[in-house]
Amino acid sequence: RKEVEQDPGPFNVPEGATVAFNCTYSNSASQSFFWYRQDCRKEPKLLMSVYSSGNEDGRFTAQLNRASQYISLLIRDSKLSDSATYLCVVNGGTGGFKTIFGAGTRLFVKA
Amino acid sequence: EAQVTQNPRYLITVTGKKLTVTCSQNMNHEYMSWYRQDPGLGLRQIYYSMNVEVTDKGDVPEGYKVSRKEKRNFPLILESPSPNQTSLYFCASSLSVAGDYNEQFFGPGTRLTVL
Repeated sequence: RKEVEQDPGPFNVPEGATVAFNCTYSNSASQSFFWYRQDCRKEPKLLMSVYSSGNEDGRFTAQLNRASQYISLLIRDSKLSDSATYLCVVNGGTGGFKTIFGAGTRLFVKA
Repeated sequence: EAQVTQNPRYLITVTGKKLTVTCSQNMNHEYMSWYRQDPGLGLRQIYYSMNVEVTDKGDVPEGYKVSRKEKRNFPLILESPSPNQTSLYFCASSLSVAGDYNEQFFGPGTRLTVL
């Protein structure tokens, strides 16, 4: 089993749609959680940190459920510019401060 | 401008010819890390460093070496590259190791081809 698993995708949605990405992690001692965005052939860039209390940034909402070891990202009112790969990232836990990336979920937003 | 830089950006080499990919950050970050990205496998951590002279293995350290002699630099060394090390490599850094402010900032990537 992979340490961080994401929906395989790709997701194809029309502009204005709401789309949800899910991620599960296996190490219950993991300490911090993020969603990154990666455009084709570019470096990953931080989209949001994820907290147990949930956090929202404009059209984006992230949630963490430590009991279920589950992380989610919700994008409302999708824009063409949201087309990218979304990466779930987990830091830390037993054995040091490794960073584990999910394989990513590709999103295509169509006009 | 706060940034992570990597050099070279593109490199084609032959099996067995030692190479070094440099990484430098100007943000006084403690944590630095190297990743490789391969189709279908996502980003996998090679090595990371929590501070000067402190390095640890990630998930795929075989065939790689690193050093952290200065806080700003974290070079990746391939002593004897092989074709299975053909990949896209990213360096990243973060202010701290744990707690707040540990989001990582990535360099632009180095595309390496080993023939």
